[in-house]
Amino acid sequence: DAGVIQSPRHEVTEMGQEVTLRCKPISGHDYLFWYRQTMMRGLELLIYFNNNVPIDDSGMPEDRFSAKMPNASFSTLKIQPSEPRDSAVYFCASSLVGRETQYFGPGTRLLVL
Amino acid sequence: AQSVTQLGSHVSVSEGALVLLRCNYSSSVPPYLFWYVQYPNQGLQLLLKYTSAATLVKGINGFEAEFKKSETSFHLTKPSAHMSDAAEYFCAVSGRELRGSNYKLTFGKGTLLTVNP
Repeated sequence: DAGVIQSPRHEVTEMGQEVTLRCKPISGHDYLFWYRQTMMRGLELLIYFNNNVPIDDSGMPEDRFSAKMPNASFSTLKIQPSEPRDSAVYFCASSLVGRETQYFGPGTRLLVL
Repeated sequence: AQSVTQLGSHVSVSEGALVLLRCNYSSSVPPYLFWYVQYPNQGLQLLLKYTSAATLVKGINGFEAEFKKSETSFHLTKPSAHMSDAAEYFCAVSGRELRGSNYKLTFGKGTLLTVNP
């Protein structure tokens, strides 16, 4: 299996621009999670989906962030407009049964100038 | 509510020495517990997990962890450190409920392990 795939791996953008991060979960997994990792706050769960439906988005920092999962094999996390404080590594993870092991992608390193 | 405390943000050991990374958890329900490892510029990789079977859990790369309910701890150990073990290690807890849903992993702040030659 290819594992969780994320793209792009690195993104550099200017403040105010729209950023779209992409994730392909492991085939057959029915949970998908988006995390953000920063030095100050560590790993934070932003949102998670079950069978393509958002279950808990309480970790999404503000309205500038949105996430979608149009089908079982694809999810996006969008930031519009981006700000320098959004600079972080964003991870996508998926799991077959939500309470157990989550498998992480390699992450997208975002730098907003 | 769940929380995880990792004692020591940075641990340094010599090659061949014992590795001990500490993790204490708080959970209102019987927990699942996990240790993940993150190598530089990579994603998180599962080392081992506790899901209420044996309290001593063996993982990859010679690591193991023991679940101690009385101490609410899940410390990670390895008898002999190798240079390739240098990485950041995260302890995480997930609630286990029969009703409702609690599928979220709550991570500790991480412990950076340095291995000196």
